[in-house]
Amino acid sequence: DAKTTQPTSMDCAEGRAANLPCNHSTISGNEYVYWYRQIHSQGPQYIIHGLKNNETNEMASLIITEDRKSSTLILPHATLRDTAVYYCIVRVSGGGADGLTFGKGTHLIIQP
Amino acid sequence: SQTIHQWPATLVQPVGSPLSLECTVEGTSNPNLYWYRQAAGRGLQLLFYSVGIGQISSEVPQNLSASRPQDRQFILSSKKLLLSDSGFYLCAWSVGRGSYEQYFGPGTRLTVT
Repeated sequence: DAKTTQPTSMDCAEGRAANLPCNHSTISGNEYVYWYRQIHSQGPQYIIHGLKNNETNEMASLIITEDRKSSTLILPHATLRDTAVYYCIVRVSGGGADGLTFGKGTHLIIQP
Repeated sequence: SQTIHQWPATLVQPVGSPLSLECTVEGTSNPNLYWYRQAAGRGLQLLFYSVGIGQISSEVPQNLSASRPQDRQFILSSKKLLLSDSGFYLCAWSVGRGSYEQYFGPGTRLTVT
């Protein structure tokens, strides 16, 4: 699986859009980009995933660059409850059912 | 809708004592099931996963074991706990093959004293 690089921490003002970057320069053609977040003392929560097209759901938008070497998770109107560690994970889909490898992620702090 | 339960929520056990953590999933059939551990200040580590009853894959050799006696039940066990077993234990489920859209339970915080 391709490795990912994320900033250790970020701040964002409440009500503003939070843009979380992820670099995955060694991603291969059949690898998807997945985003999870973990609020303190809770289990991780699936947010969104994509292959090459931009994706949007009720939680967030995922923008993947044309060369697929990086992506950005966008929380359009951040609230205090969005304070969490956000993980960007790259995995091949269509294979087995093995688990996820979580890195250190980005600690996003939403400021009031 | 699907729900995942873990118990107990917190547990304090002495070194050398046995362990049994239980996870059950409702609202889905033949899920893939996972056990992860998060030690203090560290990332999530996959311990075991299962694609069906009696089928267990171990990711990290240690003094823990897992069993899946029923389709939607996953148990994490140890015969003798070590101090290094302390951590936050999370169960997760997914469906199908090749999807990494996993759903996590509330977790069990284990402290070994």
